[in-house]
Amino acid sequence: EVQLVESGGGLVQPGRSLRLACTVSGFSFSNYAMSWVRQAPGKGLEWVGFTRSKPYGGTTEYAASVKGRFTVSRDDSKSIAYLHMNSLKTEDTAVYYCTRIRISDSHRVHDYWGQGTLVTVSS
Amino acid sequence: DIQLTQSPSFLSASVGDRVTITCRASQGISSYVAWYQKKPGKAPKLLIYAASTLHSGVPSRFSGSGSGTEFTLTVSSLQPEDFATYYCQQFDSFGPGTKVDIK
Repeated sequence: EVQLVESGGGLVQPGRSLRLACTVSGFSFSNYAMSWVRQAPGKGLEWVGFTRSKPYGGTTEYAASVKGRFTVSRDDSKSIAYLHMNSLKTEDTAVYYCTRIRISDSHRVHDYWGQGTLVTVSS
Repeated sequence: DIQLTQSPSFLSASVGDRVTITCRASQGISSYVAWYQKKPGKAPKLLIYAASTLHSGVPSRFSGSGSGTEFTLTVSSLQPEDFATYYCQQFDSFGPGTKVDIK
């Protein structure tokens, strides 16, 4: 059974940093790209960023709203994906979901999702 | 960037109704639209990808169609567990969502 479990959320002050983790089981983590999607209170879904698998270069891409502040990384030996969030803003307050993502030139599909972890940015 | 719109933004329906949600893309660069179901406090679930392919384990009452810039998600006979918000997605963009509520 595919499982993704996020951790690391909480209350953080504006300008500070936080690291989220996504621990995976039930599939060969190293063969898949991993992504983060967030949902702010009362809002819709917003893609944040992803990391490709190492066979595809392990490269990353980010939404414009977080580029330069957030970093997605992965530890294939532990089957964990990370979201490092720096210079947090109040508008980053959201539930953050880890997803397994299938990527090609013609599509991106988030086929499995974690249960989410809440990040609240407030003074 | 691709902009996605959904219509309606809200619909009220009864158990057993046939429901159709439309997703329109600002550019017709791909036929690979995905649809997700989101319930409050729960993780989103993939329903359909590549516009019309049902994800593993998804009931056959869900179907998708479309190409170019217009895509639809249809629920042939709405069940109590289907009351939720539905999102379309293409590349990095998600639609704004359609909330399906009980009439």
